Amino acid sequence: RKEVEQDPGPFNVPEGATVAFNCTYSNSASQSFFWYRQDCRKEPKLLMSVYSSGNEDGRFTAQLNRASQYISLLIRDSKLSDSATYLCVVNMYNIGNQFYFGTGTSLTVIP
Amino acid sequence: NAGVTQTPKFRVLKTGQSMTLLCAQDMNHEYMYWYRQDPGMGLRLIHYSVGEGTTAKGEVPDGYNVSRLKKQNFLLGLESAAPSQTSVYFCASSRDRGYTFGSGTRLTVV
Repeated sequence: RKEVEQDPGPFNVPEGATVAFNCTYSNSASQSFFWYRQDCRKEPKLLMSVYSSGNEDGRFTAQLNRASQYISLLIRDSKLSDSATYLCVVNMYNIGNQFYFGTGTSLTVIP
Repeated sequence: NAGVTQTPKFRVLKTGQSMTLLCAQDMNHEYMYWYRQDPGMGLRLIHYSVGEGTTAKGEVPDGYNVSRLKKQNFLLGLESAAPSQTSVYFCASSRDRGYTFGSGTRLTVV
């Protein structure tokens, strides 16, 4: 079983729409959680950390449910520039501080 | 501040050839990693290092070797390239929270 599972999509949404991505992780020992964004043919870049209380950064809201081992990302008022692949990431602070990446969810925002 | 720099950015190899990918970071990070990314497979860890002079195997280490002789550099070697090693390779470094990635190396083995 994969450490992190995501719906690969693709999600095709019109500009201005609200879209939500979900992710589940298998290891209850996971300590920290992130969403990364990866543009086509580019490296992944940190979008935001995910905290137990939920957190918001502008149009982006991340939620964590430890009991269900579930992470979500909500994007409001989608922009064309939001088109990318969104990677769900968990860290167990194990040897090597390894991160475990989901395969990513593809988003295309359509004019 | 350059962050994480990978060289080369592109390379085409013939089956059986060898090559070394170089990763350099200027953030004084202890941890460094090599990943490969293939369609539908996501990022898979090849090898990693928790400090100068140390290396460890990740999820998919076969066919690769690494060295970390200096804290700022992490080298990934392919001794005898195979078509199955065609991929995009990313180096990353971290200290505590968060990874910083290099821009990637696109390797094609023909």
